[in-house]
This record gives sequence, C-alpha cells and structure tokens, in this order.
Amino acid sequence: DTEVTQTPKHLVMGMTNKKSLKCEQHMGHRAMYWYKQKAKKPPELMFVYSYEKLSINESVPSRFSPECPNSSLLNLHLHALQPEDSALYLCASSSSQTGQGRYQETQYFGPGTRLLVL
Amino acid sequence: QKEVEQDPGPLSVPEGAIVSLNCTYSNSAFQYFMWYRQYSRKGPELLMYTYSSGNKEDGRFTAQVDKSSKYISLFIRDSQPSDSATYLCAMIRNTGGFKTIFGAGTRLFVKA
Repeated sequence: DTEVTQTPKHLVMGMTNKKSLKCEQHMGHRAMYWYKQKAKKPPELMFVYSYEKLSINESVPSRFSPECPNSSLLNLHLHALQPEDSALYLCASSSSQTGQGRYQETQYFGPGTRLLVL
Repeated sequence: QKEVEQDPGPLSVPEGAIVSLNCTYSNSAFQYFMWYRQYSRKGPELLMYTYSSGNKEDGRFTAQVDKSSKYISLFIRDSQPSDSATYLCAMIRNTGGFKTIFGAGTRLFVKA
C-alpha cells in the first residue's frame, strides 16, 4: 500500500466556519507534511511532523492549525480563513532509509483537498 | 535569488520527440533530487528520485544530476500526448532538519 488518502476531496467554507482536513497513510512513514498549492504554482510547505514533532513554516498564519493524533493520521484545522486561502491542500508522507551508506528519502503525495473560501 | 530555478515554459513538442527539462540550484547542501509530474487539478506524482551525480533511467525517463554544475535534468524519450503535464523538480537538504524546495514547474504539451 503506497497510498496517501485525503478527505474531503472538495470543501467550500465561509470565513466564519471551522473545518478540518484529514490525511491518512499506512506505509509506516514517520514524517507527514501539509503543503498549500495555488494554481500554476509549486507546492509551498506549511507544516512537517517528524516522529510526531512539529516543524512550522513561520509564514503560515495561525488560522491554520495542524494536529497529528498518531503516526498514521494528520489533520489540518481551519478557522476564520480568508478568500486568499483558497487553494489545493496537499498532504504527503515520507520514508527514510539508510542503506549502502546512503540516506534515502522518498515522499508520497495525496490527491489533495481543493478548498474554496467564500 | 531563488534556491531552485526552473523555466515555467510552456514547452510544446510533437509526439515522439525527446523532451529535456532542467533545473538549476544554488545551495550545495541539496542531497536528494526528485522530479514530479502533476496533471491539471491533481496532486504531484513522484517520477524519479536520485541521490548522487550521474544518470538514473526508468523506462522512457532519464534523470541526470550534475552536482558540480548544480544542474539537474529530466529527459523523456518517445514523448506521448499523455505526458502533457506540469513537471516539477524538487530537492531536499538535510541541514538542521530536512526541507524540500520545489521548482516553479514546467508546463509540457505533447502534440499528437
């Protein structure tokens, strides 16, 4: 199973709503990520959980709040978003291996949640 | 200067052509180099992954890394209309915690 799943696929919310995006992987990966991708732009890293330890991109506003309940699940809580937050939100997970004296990292993306903030 | 530079294109080629996609980077700390393919309204899909300088081949795809020139390439042989997508290069550095940097992506159109 090399799949990262995300729900919902699409989400429309108002600026006063609270919603959550969910991500799940069962590959035993210990690092999970949230990315934001605007149209025709590369993904921008928002948060990283590595062994349940959070690293934050300091430019991400506090209306985005990540949560990692366990090593297979990653949530992104949304509150009081702005229309400019409308984007594709991608979850990813990665494995790291050391073999033949080399450190290897492979990252897998989910299909994304397309978010529209009205 | 961006850490990773990639020409956004668009790049239009006839079916069967050899496609060359490139990225340059400025930070010698990058250790891992990836190419992703992204279809419209979909998440990125990992195509190729390399660690050291040299070539890596997988079917019609060849990834090339030249660390001395800080230059990476993706070659697509016998291009097909189904290869039409945006191709993103990405690089990982593992200095004080790992970070993935993506290029801007190159839009490729393969005409039948």
